[in-house]
Amino acid sequence: DQQVKQNSPSLSVQEGRISILNCDYTNSMFDYFLWYKKYPAEGPTFLISISSIKDKNEDGRFTVFLNKSAKHLSLHIVPSQPGDSAVYFCAASATYTGGSNYKLTFGKGTLLTVNP
Amino acid sequence: KAGVTQTPRYLIKTRGQQVTLSCSPISGHRSVSWYQQTPGQGLQFLFEYFSETQRNKGNFPGRFSGRQFSNSRSEMNVSTLELGDSALYLCASSKTGGSQPQHFGDGTRLSIL
Repeated sequence: DQQVKQNSPSLSVQEGRISILNCDYTNSMFDYFLWYKKYPAEGPTFLISISSIKDKNEDGRFTVFLNKSAKHLSLHIVPSQPGDSAVYFCAASATYTGGSNYKLTFGKGTLLTVNP
Repeated sequence: KAGVTQTPRYLIKTRGQQVTLSCSPISGHRSVSWYQQTPGQGLQFLFEYFSETQRNKGNFPGRFSGRQFSNSRSEMNVSTLELGDSALYLCASSKTGGSQPQHFGDGTRLSIL
């Protein structure tokens, strides 16, 4: 049962344009969401997060949008740069419950390629 | 500030053997989580340790175990290795664990022959 889904295995965009990475979740208990970036041969690096009390969070070129009714979040990168080429993972957690939800559940990742 | 350190970086074992992987968290971080990454499967949660106690566990067989020491360093052990255990094993630390942004090490690449 995949609770966090990234349905696009890959995405290719031109340098300077917007990159939009999407993520869907099924567990209604999730209330905290994160995006990580991973380069080959390195561990994932935390990018940006959003709590369910917000619908948008911005950090420089990175913006995450959350649509709770649709159980959907997206990461926007503007403008995209060649150095952004990496695998992006969406992750989710339930912060106010214990048990099995009190951990990060990751999607399978989307490979972003930004072409010069 | 030193990051999360995992050793060794690469390991080759044969079926039936056992292996121990090590993780040193960022200083001051008391929570250590372990993940398995295989092609096309993303990161799958193995377990989390906090203050030397396993606080959370994923859906992996009992061959996968771990422990945490008083200095927060953690080890993960896999016994009776199978070909399907070939993967990148990632360790992540945070101050208190749970949903906090976790800081990952570069992983141990385990290959089973």
